[in-house]
Amino acid sequence: KAGVTQTPRYLIKTRGQQVTLSCSPISGHRSVSWYQQTPGQGLQFLFEYFSETQRNKGNFPGRFSGRQFSNSRSEMNVSTLELGDSALYLCASSSDRGPNTEAFFGQGTRLTVV
Amino acid sequence: AQTVTQSQPEMSVQEAETVTLSCTYDTSENNYYLFWYKQPPSRQMILVIRQEAYKQQNATENRFSVNFQKAAKSFSLKISDSQLGDTAMYFCAFMKWQGGSEKLVFGKGTKLTVNP
Repeated sequence: KAGVTQTPRYLIKTRGQQVTLSCSPISGHRSVSWYQQTPGQGLQFLFEYFSETQRNKGNFPGRFSGRQFSNSRSEMNVSTLELGDSALYLCASSSDRGPNTEAFFGQGTRLTVV
Repeated sequence: AQTVTQSQPEMSVQEAETVTLSCTYDTSENNYYLFWYKQPPSRQMILVIRQEAYKQQNATENRFSVNFQKAAKSFSLKISDSQLGDTAMYFCAFMKWQGGSEKLVFGKGTKLTVNP
């Protein structure tokens, strides 16, 4: 059974550009969550999607957005990139919502903004 | 808002020895869950152990066990018989669950090195 797949693994963008990151959850999983990991702020929750609906959102500016498709694949988009957006972006999928279902993480996308 | 604090940025242990990683949290919630995640150099977060706050019995998974002190809001992880493969960042995390919140709140992590 394939794990959570995030693409691309590495990305370099210029300030002001926009970027789209992709996350393919484990087959059959309907919940996808996104986290940003930086050395300074640690791991911070971005948003959660379940059955194509955003269920929860973290404290990030509107430049950060996401969506989930009918096959549960999810994308997150960051517009007007800033240097501070450089981070590891992690996606996690689970079969259902709630802490009793284990969240499986992907290996992340390393975004560097120059 | 919930916060999770890991007071040990780095720790090291000799192979086969036991090590304990500390975690404290702050919350006004009564129903919540606590987790320890491991992040090796491959960057993939792996669930190590989970504890439900309403359960008084400490969770155990093979060589990993927790000491959950609800009143003190403390949730430490004990790794017995440490192995080289245990070298990783370890994150303590909190999740409240009242039918709507899927958000994990993480601590800043403890970098554990197991020495041969």
